Amino acid sequence: AQSVAQPEDQVNVAEGNPLTVKCTYSVSGNPYLFWYVQYPNRGLQFLLKYITGDNLVKGSYGFEAEFNKSQTSFHLKKPSALVSDSALYFCAVRVSLAYSGAGSYQLTFGKGTKLSVIP
Amino acid sequence: DTGVSQDPRHKITKRGQNVTFRCDPISEHNRLYWYRQTLGQGPEFLTYFQNEAQLEKSRLLSDRFSAERPKGSFSTLEIQRTEQGDSAMYLCASSSLDPTGSNEQFFGPGTRLTVL
Repeated sequence: AQSVAQPEDQVNVAEGNPLTVKCTYSVSGNPYLFWYVQYPNRGLQFLLKYITGDNLVKGSYGFEAEFNKSQTSFHLKKPSALVSDSALYFCAVRVSLAYSGAGSYQLTFGKGTKLSVIP
Repeated sequence: DTGVSQDPRHKITKRGQNVTFRCDPISEHNRLYWYRQTLGQGPEFLTYFQNEAQLEKSRLLSDRFSAERPKGSFSTLEIQRTEQGDSAMYLCASSSLDPTGSNEQFFGPGTRLTVL
């Protein structure tokens, strides 16, 4: 079974400060990891993903995330927060095809972290 | 707009009624997914299609739920004899076919179901 934990329900950060939204995962085999953002009354928007290779991945809107295999973490980061970054952020995981064999494509999501950037 | 679209955006129904939702994926995407999201939770996987074939179903998909994708394009999700516990946001997503299976899923705006 695969699972994702987002230990913080809410993160508050001042505009211009760096932000981190935490995510840890559990999966049998090699993970594919994703971050999505959800604005009110809108669907989830893809931010970035880790598949393989460089542990630091860069995504949309200046966000980046660092994959740490030993800590089974995939924290989302941004050097300087904007008020417009305020939203709900979801981390998601699935097992790589090479491991799952039969090709399970379902994503398992965390409960989400509400990010509030204070002007 | 070439994104994933869902219809209706909102549905209010009485307990015991049947409801049907439609999803139109991004046109070139072979894979289509349904998820359910309740308040304060992340999306939970329900089912997935590759073209017209339904390849995975979650145990969350009780026998009151049925999904189809008859021509490999749009999909419908039907809930029969709705219960108050079915109240949720129903999300549809699509992705392109790739051998590694690493492509991201693109989500629609969702259909919010309220069962009275």
